[in-house]
Amino acid sequence: EDKVVQSPLSLVVHEGDTVTLNCSYEVTNFRSLLWYKQEKKAPTFLFMLTSSGIEKKSGRLSSILDKKELFSILNITATQTGDSAVYLCAAGSARQLTFGSGTQLTVLP
Amino acid sequence: DAGVIQSPRHEVTEMGQEVTLRCKPISGHDYLFWYRQTMMRGLELLIYFNNNVPIDDSGMPEDRFSAKMPNASFSTLKIQPSEPRDSAVYFCASSLAPRGLAPKNIQYFGAGTRLSVL
Repeated sequence: EDKVVQSPLSLVVHEGDTVTLNCSYEVTNFRSLLWYKQEKKAPTFLFMLTSSGIEKKSGRLSSILDKKELFSILNITATQTGDSAVYLCAAGSARQLTFGSGTQLTVLP
Repeated sequence: DAGVIQSPRHEVTEMGQEVTLRCKPISGHDYLFWYRQTMMRGLELLIYFNNNVPIDDSGMPEDRFSAKMPNASFSTLKIQPSEPRDSAVYFCASSLAPRGLAPKNIQYFGAGTRLSVL
């Protein structure tokens, strides 16, 4: 059975801190790993990674995939209160995704 | 594009009643997914369609749940009869089939339907 495990389950930091969110996966016919941000509504897409070692960046967020060790990390530098959300990791085959339970990030002013 | 559109946004019903959730995927997307999200179980895939055909419904919890996609622009998820444990947020998502260099696997979510069964 496909499985995606995220850690930590929750994290509380202060503005300006740097955080690292972890995601490990076991997925048959793995094709890609995706990160989503979920505030009080629908998940919104952040990154998709398909190759090991290539870092994806978007502003203060970055992510990298290790296909040998079957994990990915999401880094957020200089955190802001607007980064507070649940961050979901999903791994999938060509057609469907299995989601992790998410990391609840709270950034305090 | 307006994105994935779901209705209603909120539904409150009594146990035993029939509930129908609706979804309009992004135009041109080949895949449509129904998810359920709860605090206890997170985001769970219920069923997904490719070109209007159900591909995998192994996540559908019971026979009380059914889903249809009569055409490329509309899908429904029905619960009959509903039970309090069905209370959750139900998301619909759509994506493009892998083709060429187009992004694959990126699923775009609707705003969800928050269902409360009393």
